[in-house]
Amino acid sequence: NAGVMQNPRHLVRRRGQEARLRCSPMKGHSHVYWYRQLPEEGLKFMVYLQKENIIDESGMPKERFSAEFPKEGPSILRIQQVVRGDSAAYFCASSPPRIDTQYFGPGTRLTVL
Amino acid sequence: RKEVEQDPGPFNVPEGATVAFNCTYSNSASQSFFWYRQDCRKEPKLLMSVYSSGNEDGRFTAQLNRASQYISLLIRDSKLSDSATYLCVVNGAGGYNKLIFGAGTRLAVHP
Repeated sequence: NAGVMQNPRHLVRRRGQEARLRCSPMKGHSHVYWYRQLPEEGLKFMVYLQKENIIDESGMPKERFSAEFPKEGPSILRIQQVVRGDSAAYFCASSPPRIDTQYFGPGTRLTVL
Repeated sequence: RKEVEQDPGPFNVPEGATVAFNCTYSNSASQSFFWYRQDCRKEPKLLMSVYSSGNEDGRFTAQLNRASQYISLLIRDSKLSDSATYLCVVNGAGGYNKLIFGAGTRLAVHP
């Protein structure tokens, strides 16, 4: 059973470009979570999704950030018009229904030049 | 006040030592508690869930005190491979699985 997959592992963007981060949950997991880890800081919750539904986006910045988890395909975290402060590691986690343990992917390290 | 507070360390201990980490959380409605470990530039990996009755997994023992909102992790007979950052994690209130992470405690085990 493959673990949580994220790609790309490293992403470099210039200010003003768009970043798209992908996450494929573990087989059998229908719940996906995105977290951000700024340099030298702890992980911060961003958004919790189930298939085709955003359940909790209380941790998402109000502008430029969006997330989706379509019926088919991976979950996508999209950052428009990136700024240097968006440079961070973005981790995706997944869990099965009604289970509170989350398993993390290897993360995408975003660098904004 | 931070939702989950940990001593950042670092804890520098020799191989074979016993080391204890503590953590406090602010939301009394939290229902699930975990310790994760994170190696440098890697993803967090679940070390163990924490239950009110206390639980043990090999050299690792976790305790939860709901009344004091306090969680602990004890590592016995430390190995070099235990060197990592240990993250105290609780779930957010409201029945969701949103996890709240402490900033982590760094452990360095030396020969």
